[in-house]
Amino acid sequence: DIQMTQSPSSLSASVRDRVTITCRASQGISNYLAWYQQKPGKVPKLLIYAASTLQSGVPSRFSGSGSGTHFTLTISSLQPEDVATYYCQKYNSAPFTFGPGTKVDIK
Amino acid sequence: EVQLLESGGGLVQPEGSLRLSCAASGFTFSNYAMTWVRQAPGKGPEWVSSISDSGDNTFYADSVRGRFTISRDSSKDTLFLQMNSLKAGDTALYYCGKIRSGIATAAINHWGQGTLVTVSS
Repeated sequence: DIQMTQSPSSLSASVRDRVTITCRASQGISNYLAWYQQKPGKVPKLLIYAASTLQSGVPSRFSGSGSGTHFTLTISSLQPEDVATYYCQKYNSAPFTFGPGTKVDIK
Repeated sequence: EVQLLESGGGLVQPEGSLRLSCAASGFTFSNYAMTWVRQAPGKGPEWVSSISDSGDNTFYADSVRGRFTISRDSSKDTLFLQMNSLKAGDTALYYCGKIRSGIATAAINHWGQGTLVTVSS
């Protein structure tokens, strides 16, 4: 099975900072990758699918890139409401594995 | 507005069974694949199972294959997860999810609020 890893596992940044989270697949998955945001005590929310397509209603400060085995989620200007854990998920084929998550908070 | 309402969770003894349901509304249920994702306390989401729009194709995580069965009733707009031979490691909040496509190889664009399953003696 393809393994998903994320780095860093956690980060602390200042408001308006640019934040980048990396997700890697152990084998190529083309662009079959989604990013989700989960705020404390809340349900996961789809941010990006097909590696770089912004889900409707998601602020434009979120962006995704990558293909194959290396993907990034970027928050161009971190806001207080972005405090959350971010997960990537592969969906090219089963098992549709999630990454271990990256916890983002405000410095 | 898409709504997914899970039910059927509860406390069950090891080796017991539960059947989860997810009542869907706000979209044409028969056009979309559906999925179950679970999240143990303090852990990240774990994909459990998915089913295509027609129900013809089902997929399972290795951890549940042979014990769990996913199904759907498009006449009732409802998704099910039959869980047998439950183990302590199955304890989690179980989310129902709507997939963006009729096939399972797409992202989850709507999530329910979840139903809690606790396996303990």
